[in-house]
Amino acid sequence: AQSVTQLGSHVSVSEGALVLLRCNYSSSVPPYLFWYVQYPNQGLQLLLKYTSAATLVKGINDFEAEFKKSETSFHLTKPSAHMSDAAEYFCAVSDRGGSQGNLIFGKGTKLSVKP
Amino acid sequence: DTGVSQNPRHKITKRGQNVTFRCDPISEHNRLYWYRQTLGQGPEFLTYFQNEAQLEKSRLLSDRFSAERPKGSFSTLEIQRTEQGDSAMYLCASSLSGASGAYEQYFGPGTRLTVT
Repeated sequence: AQSVTQLGSHVSVSEGALVLLRCNYSSSVPPYLFWYVQYPNQGLQLLLKYTSAATLVKGINDFEAEFKKSETSFHLTKPSAHMSDAAEYFCAVSDRGGSQGNLIFGKGTKLSVKP
Repeated sequence: DTGVSQNPRHKITKRGQNVTFRCDPISEHNRLYWYRQTLGQGPEFLTYFQNEAQLEKSRLLSDRFSAERPKGSFSTLEIQRTEQGDSAMYLCASSLSGASGAYEQYFGPGTRLTVT
């Protein structure tokens, strides 16, 4: 069965600092992996996705993530945090590999950005 | 493209009442999903449709829950005899699905249900 673990329910960074949000996955098949962002009282917006092509995936708003099979990780990074990045971030894996399945989400990491 | 829309955005109901939520997917999307999100948790899958066919239901979807997508366009999610444990954000998502698989899911803003 597929699962996702997000390390750290809350991460706080200063504006301009590096953002690193951690995600580890478990999957019995080659995984498709996703990062979504959720602003308060809103739905989820896709930041980026890994679909077995390039291991370094670039997304919107300068976010990127690197798929590391040996570490079963898909950490999200951004070189320089902006105040507008403050939100909750969810890592997800497709529940049966490939893109056919439903999404299994982690519990989320809330990112705070200090001025 | 107006995105996925959900109505109502907020619903407060008393325990034991029935509620119905509506989701309008992106017009050309043939897949429609329902998820539930409780405070401090990620969304959890409830059910999904391909066109008008309901292809999968989670064990979370008790017999008090029913979902329909009668013409393969909008969908409704009904909860009968609501309980306080049903209080959550109900999220709808849609995607395209073809021979090469399904594409990314686009989420609506959600309906927040509060059962008093």
